[in-house]
Amino acid sequence: AQSVTQLGSHVSVSEGALVLLRCNYSSSVPPYLFWYVQYPNQGLQLLLKYTSAATLVKGINGFEAEFKKSETSFHLTKPSAHMSDAAEYFCAVSDKSGGSYIPTFGRGTSLIVHP
Amino acid sequence: EAGVTQFPSHSVIEKGQTVTLRCDPISGHDNLYWYRRVMGKEIKFLLHFVKESKQDESGMPNNRFLAERTGGTYSTLKVQPAELEDSGVYFCASSQTGLHTEAFFGQGTRLTVV
Repeated sequence: AQSVTQLGSHVSVSEGALVLLRCNYSSSVPPYLFWYVQYPNQGLQLLLKYTSAATLVKGINGFEAEFKKSETSFHLTKPSAHMSDAAEYFCAVSDKSGGSYIPTFGRGTSLIVHP
Repeated sequence: EAGVTQFPSHSVIEKGQTVTLRCDPISGHDNLYWYRRVMGKEIKFLLHFVKESKQDESGMPNNRFLAERTGGTYSTLKVQPAELEDSGVYFCASSQTGLHTEAFFGQGTRLTVV
């Protein structure tokens, strides 16, 4: 069975500081990994995805994530936070356990950016 | 191109009443998913349609929940009778056929059962 753990329900950073949102996964087979973002009053939007190509994945809005198999991690980073990055971020894992590729989500991390 | 749309955006109902949520996927997307998020918790999978067929409904909480996708286009999720613990945000997503294609999400329906 697949699962995702997101450490920290809230992360607070200053504008211009490094953003680091943590995600660890559990999967019985090589996983596919995703980060989604939800801005206030909007639906979930895909930030980036890892599908067994390059381990460092670049996404939209300057975000990137690195797949580390030895650590079973897929942490999301951004060098410099903007006020507009304030949102909720969800890590998700997808594998074919059970016969279908249905993403399993973590609990989400709220990113707070203060001036 | 229109994205995934969900109706209504908010619904407040009393315990014991019936509510029907609707999802219109992106045109041409065979896969349709329903998820639910209870406040502060993870987004949990409910079920997956491929066209009009239920591919996986292992996440449906109990038999008070009924999902349909007649004709393989829009889908409805009915809760009857609603209980307090059914409150949460219900998300719908759709995707094209293919390996790990992106799932596009709607804005969600916030259901409050009082």
